[in-house]
Amino acid sequence: EVVLTQSPATLSLSPGERATLSCRASQSVDKYVAWYQQKPGQAPRFLIFDTSHRATGIPARFSGSGFGTDFTLTISSLEPEDFAVYYCQQRSSWPLTFGGGTKVEIK
Amino acid sequence: EVSLLESGGGLGQPGGSLRLSCAASGFTFSNCGMSWVRQAPGKGLEWISGISGNGGSTYYADSVKGRVTISRDNSKNTLDLQMNSLRAEDTALYFCAKGGRIAGAGRANDAFDIWGQGTMLTVSS
Repeated sequence: EVVLTQSPATLSLSPGERATLSCRASQSVDKYVAWYQQKPGQAPRFLIFDTSHRATGIPARFSGSGFGTDFTLTISSLEPEDFAVYYCQQRSSWPLTFGGGTKVEIK
Repeated sequence: EVSLLESGGGLGQPGGSLRLSCAASGFTFSNCGMSWVRQAPGKGLEWISGISGNGGSTYYADSVKGRVTISRDNSKNTLDLQMNSLRAEDTALYFCAKGGRIAGAGRANDAFDIWGQGTMLTVSS
């Protein structure tokens, strides 16, 4: 099973700042990483697939990069609605797995 | 509008059984792999099971293998999860998730573009 480790667990930032979230895989997952945003009491929202492709309707301030075992989600300038928990997910091999999440909170 | 609506959650007895369902609408159901993802209270997301668009391939996490069966009825646009031998650690919010067809039409190893709001299962005596 591919274990995804997200860091940091919590990121305390102010609106307008840049957020950099990390997702590290225990073995290569090629480019097959997706990212999701989840707010309290809501279902996850699809942000990015295959490392760097934004889903429909996702603002350009969200970007993804990486390959193999190291992946990054960057939010270039935090908007108030971006404070949430973010999860990475791999679809390279079974079972599909999610990272433990990074909470982006208001500083 | 594309939507997923889960049902069937509630209070389950340890060792008992429960069937969760997901009603899909607004897209060609048979063209999409589907999965169940759960979230224990205050915890992260855990993928537990997936199925291909034609139902011919099914996949399970080790945590539920042998206790859970995923199935779909493409004539009714429904996805089910039969859960047996319930354990306290099965207590979670269960989401139905639609494959985004990034892996290819009907493939189950996908990213998930649409999620339902979830149905809560509590296992307790």
